[in-house]
Amino acid sequence: DQQVKQNSPSLSVQEGRISILNCDYTNSMFDYFLWYKKYPAEGPTFLISISSIKDKNEDGRFTVFLNKSAKHLSLHIVPSQPGDSAVYFCAASALGNNDMRFGAGTRLTVKP
Amino acid sequence: GAGVSQSPSNKVTEKGKDVELRCDPISGHTALYWYRQSLGQGLEFLIYFQGNSAPDKSGLPSDRFSAERTGGSVSTLTIQRTQQEDSAVYLCASSSQRGPTQYFGPGTRLTVL
Repeated sequence: DQQVKQNSPSLSVQEGRISILNCDYTNSMFDYFLWYKKYPAEGPTFLISISSIKDKNEDGRFTVFLNKSAKHLSLHIVPSQPGDSAVYFCAASALGNNDMRFGAGTRLTVKP
Repeated sequence: GAGVSQSPSNKVTEKGKDVELRCDPISGHTALYWYRQSLGQGLEFLIYFQGNSAPDKSGLPSDRFSAERTGGSVSTLTIQRTQQEDSAVYLCASSSQRGPTQYFGPGTRLTVL
């Protein structure tokens, strides 16, 4: 039972444009959400997070939006850079519970 | 400071052999997780240790898989009688009590011939 879903396995955008990566979840108990970035041959690295008390969190070029009613979150990268090319994983957990569930990932390619 | 380390980085083994994968979490992190990523797939949760509590083994795919965490620090994931479908990258992560953010090691790539 996949509780966190990333329905787009890949995304390609032009350098300088916006990248939008989407994630849906089914478990209404989730109240903390994270995005991880993974380069080949490396472990995932934490990128940005958001708790359910917010609907937006911004960190430089990265913004995460949360729509609790739709059980949907998205990661916006603007402007996109070639170095952003990686696999992005969405993850969710319930606060107080360190058990985290990951999506299958979206491979982002930013073309120069 | 030192991050999560895993060894070996690569392991090639023959079908039917046992393998042990090691994880050294970030010092002071009470929670430790094992995941695997098969080719083209997402991160599959395997097992979770939190302090001295009984581990959550709900993600282990079969009884050939087991894991230990000694002294609340280093963890070993053991796969007995390996099968070709066990081939994957095995990732370890740790987190502190203060938050759910997990910090990952570089992974061990296991290839079962």
